[in-house]
Amino acid sequence: GAVVSQHPSWVICKSGTSVKIECRSLDFQATTMFWYRQFPKQSLMLMATSNEGSKATYEQGVEKDKFLINHASLTLSTLTVTSAHPEDSSFYICSANTGLGDNEQFFGPGTRLTVL
Amino acid sequence: AQKITQTQPGMFVQEKEAVTLDCTYDTSDPSYGLFWYKQPSSGEMIFLIYQGSYDQQNATEGRYSLNFQKARKSANLVISASQLGDSAMYFCAMREGRGWESKLTFGTGTRLQVTL
Repeated sequence: GAVVSQHPSWVICKSGTSVKIECRSLDFQATTMFWYRQFPKQSLMLMATSNEGSKATYEQGVEKDKFLINHASLTLSTLTVTSAHPEDSSFYICSANTGLGDNEQFFGPGTRLTVL
Repeated sequence: AQKITQTQPGMFVQEKEAVTLDCTYDTSDPSYGLFWYKQPSSGEMIFLIYQGSYDQQNATEGRYSLNFQKARKSANLVISASQLGDSAMYFCAMREGRGWESKLTFGTGTRLQVTL
């Protein structure tokens, strides 16, 4: 199946700093990617839908100025957590679809963010 | 109202036995898709099986089958011949509409533990 990668796989940062997470589709082009957040022992919650060449669509309650999304190419979307605080510590996962009629959404391996 | 409901926070099954994980959904869209994902402790989301709302037959993928009862709005996952490696979190998810770019909504998950 199609492969989605994320980098970094884990990151620890100080409160107040910004962290960038990359999501790449390795063997296909993705005009749409999705960013999810998962707190410990909880489900995946969609944060935003990232569209290549246009602004992301954020879910209700997600601060777009805090979670900056840039989908600059058909294979790369980035999520930047600005001025991170301990409550932003979470597991961030991206996903994409090949757009070739697949039903499956392919997920990246996730990035574990810890803000001290 | 919850769009996806998984009422079993945890399940135990003995190795080689079959187990059913429950999932009910709520939508008014006539076109939708139902997914099951497995999430081991490493965090990656592993696609297991897909059922489209217009599919006449229940989906099957190896040891996984989906018991789709449209009138009852249920999409239970059946795992046959359980293996120790099946121990993980299992999430049911729904995509509404036909667009492959449509987002997924996840249930709260069921933690499955396979015992000897």
